[in-house]
Amino acid sequence: DTEVTQTPKHLVMGMTNKKSLKCEQHMGHRAMYWYKQKAKKPPELMFVYSYEKLSINESVPSRFSPECPNSSLLNLHLHALQPEDSALYLCASSQSSLSGGLSTQYFGPGTRLTVL
Amino acid sequence: AQSVTQLGSHVSVSEGALVLLRCNYSSSVPPYLFWYVQYPNQGLQLLLKYTTGATLVKGINGFEAEFKKSETSFHLTKPSAHMSDAAEYFCAVSQLFKAAGNKLTFGGGTRVLVKP
Repeated sequence: DTEVTQTPKHLVMGMTNKKSLKCEQHMGHRAMYWYKQKAKKPPELMFVYSYEKLSINESVPSRFSPECPNSSLLNLHLHALQPEDSALYLCASSQSSLSGGLSTQYFGPGTRLTVL
Repeated sequence: AQSVTQLGSHVSVSEGALVLLRCNYSSSVPPYLFWYVQYPNQGLQLLLKYTTGATLVKGINGFEAEFKKSETSFHLTKPSAHMSDAAEYFCAVSQLFKAAGNKLTFGGGTRVLVKP
């Protein structure tokens, strides 16, 4: 089973709202990722968690706040977003390893976020 | 830094014809290479990957890719296109950050249109 689930599928929020995106995997993976994908563009890495600790932050604005409560769950808390933050937000997971073959990332279906 | 270039942002093929998507990479170390497919409004699905060993890699849905070190290429092919192959295809190279997981760098993507 290589399934990564994400909720909600769609989210519409105002610029003053606070919302959260959720991601879950049950493959025993110890690395989890958030990506942002604008229309007609490739995904861009935002955050990497390894063993529940934030290991990579790609200089993402503080209005995006990631959280990894346990090895299976990854959240992305949203606050005071801008319309340009509207995008598809993808979660992925992989085995955390020095071996490239085990570094395959498996993606969830994404959350389509619209900021009004 | 590693990078990936996909030649051609759009490819149009007739049903039953050969599909050829080009990917060239830049890497100072042996690369781990991936092809992902993204259907409209969905996440990324792994088609195939190259890590080590055999340079001809077979993936799902009849796709295969050949790693050519001398040409720094990892082109994706399918002998006979099907209507269901219409999607966006991303080539990616993986860079390991010690035990922090890995960072995927994506090419710009190639949108495949299949004509009846």
